Amino acid sequence: GAGVSQSPSNKVTEKGKDVELRCDPISGHTALYWYRQSLGQGLEFLIYFQGNSAPDKSGLPSDRFSAERTGGSVSTLTIQRTQQEDSAVYLCASSPHFLTRTGRWRAFFGQGTRLTVV
Amino acid sequence: GESVGLHLPTLSVQEGDNSIINCAYSNSASDYFIWYKQESGKGPQFIIDIRSNMDKRQGQRVTVLLNKTVKHLSLQIAATQPGDSAVYFCAETVQGGSEKLVFGKGTKLTVNP
Repeated sequence: GAGVSQSPSNKVTEKGKDVELRCDPISGHTALYWYRQSLGQGLEFLIYFQGNSAPDKSGLPSDRFSAERTGGSVSTLTIQRTQQEDSAVYLCASSPHFLTRTGRWRAFFGQGTRLTVV
Repeated sequence: GESVGLHLPTLSVQEGDNSIINCAYSNSASDYFIWYKQESGKGPQFIIDIRSNMDKRQGQRVTVLLNKTVKHLSLQIAATQPGDSAVYFCAETVQGGSEKLVFGKGTKLTVNP
């Protein structure tokens, strides 16, 4: 596809259930980011994958959150035992190069997955 | 720790006026800054960026100003149009570091016809 694709676009889940959110980055992009955006708030960094390096997980809010990136392409963000405070829009972004290589942070965002925990 | 904040959460302007959106950052080590525009129901879109070795950078109808002394960033939009109505975020990062981009909370710009 032409852009970053996220699925599902909307997800309603019951408190305590596990959810998986998927991100298909732009083909060839080596960097992939996950952010969380609560209603009316800014973007909260969650995790960052860069090539084959160990991901930067410093933004994950708890051990209920985890993410994988398989084959340097598709990424899955998993939230276990969801809580109501997990309700937010989860945004994925990908970038063709590391910042330090190009000096430019050309990241492209997907439309996001709106997660509602009831 | 790192944080990026905003002076005004909302801004309302008349069509054709110039808009100025402000942003403060707290990490003195940040050396790369970006403005993003987010329309309702969409992901953020890149507008313009600036590196810390510059004070000003101009794009099409937009100008970003950086004042490192007071750790302040602004986005100026000339001849604001209804299509400019959106939430604008500033973001900062440290080049050569983790490359984690830290976003502020955003300013909602409303352009009145």
